[in-house]
Amino acid sequence: QVQLQESGPGLVKPSETLSLTCIVSGGSISGGSFSNYHWNWIRQPVGKGLEWIGRMQTTGSTRYNPSLKGRLTMSLDTSKNRYSLRLDSVTAADTAVYYCTAGGYLADYWGQGILVTVSS
Amino acid sequence: EIEMTQSPAALSVSPGERATLSCRASQNINRDLAWYQQKPGQPPRLLMYSASTRPTGIPPRFSGSGSGTEFTFTISSLQSEDFAVYYCQQYIEWPWTFGQGTKVEIK
Repeated sequence: QVQLQESGPGLVKPSETLSLTCIVSGGSISGGSFSNYHWNWIRQPVGKGLEWIGRMQTTGSTRYNPSLKGRLTMSLDTSKNRYSLRLDSVTAADTAVYYCTAGGYLADYWGQGILVTVSS
Repeated sequence: EIEMTQSPAALSVSPGERATLSCRASQNINRDLAWYQQKPGQPPRLLMYSASTRPTGIPPRFSGSGSGTEFTFTISSLQSEDFAVYYCQQYIEWPWTFGQGTKVEIK
């Protein structure tokens, strides 16, 4: 069973870049039963609903939510068994709990989430 | 973008009673609908996909139905651990979108 853990800064200044990493354990991100998984990021402003912001396959194929207007980049590091999120030019509207999730197609597995606050 | 609308926003139910939640899609999503449960301070948990299929380990008191634009999620006999927020999510068209949630509260 896959286990996920987000890491990264909890505070980012407006206009700067938010970078988060999801460490994957329980198997190889690029092989075995995980080879067909989708690796995702979902965020949730505190007290509000969920937004699926991006998903990526082991092949490197990505899909980004158009609401982020080209600010999002996801990448996979198979050597370190992790994947990452990069969100450029952040504003207060990007303040949220960010979850890394994974699954065969949906979000079967979730990290505990990391609160990222955008503030000067 | 497909808009998902859940009703009611909150539902007060006594333990042991049935809870029925609704989710409406702004366009036809066939049966490409999932349901998640979220408890305070925890990540969501996948409870249902393809509108009515439970993942392994999800108790049978949880059930789902519907297709097209109208969906229902039912908890047949509420247990104390079921009081939470429930979200529906469509996955027929990117970006995948969630409803705003229904909070199931203890009556």
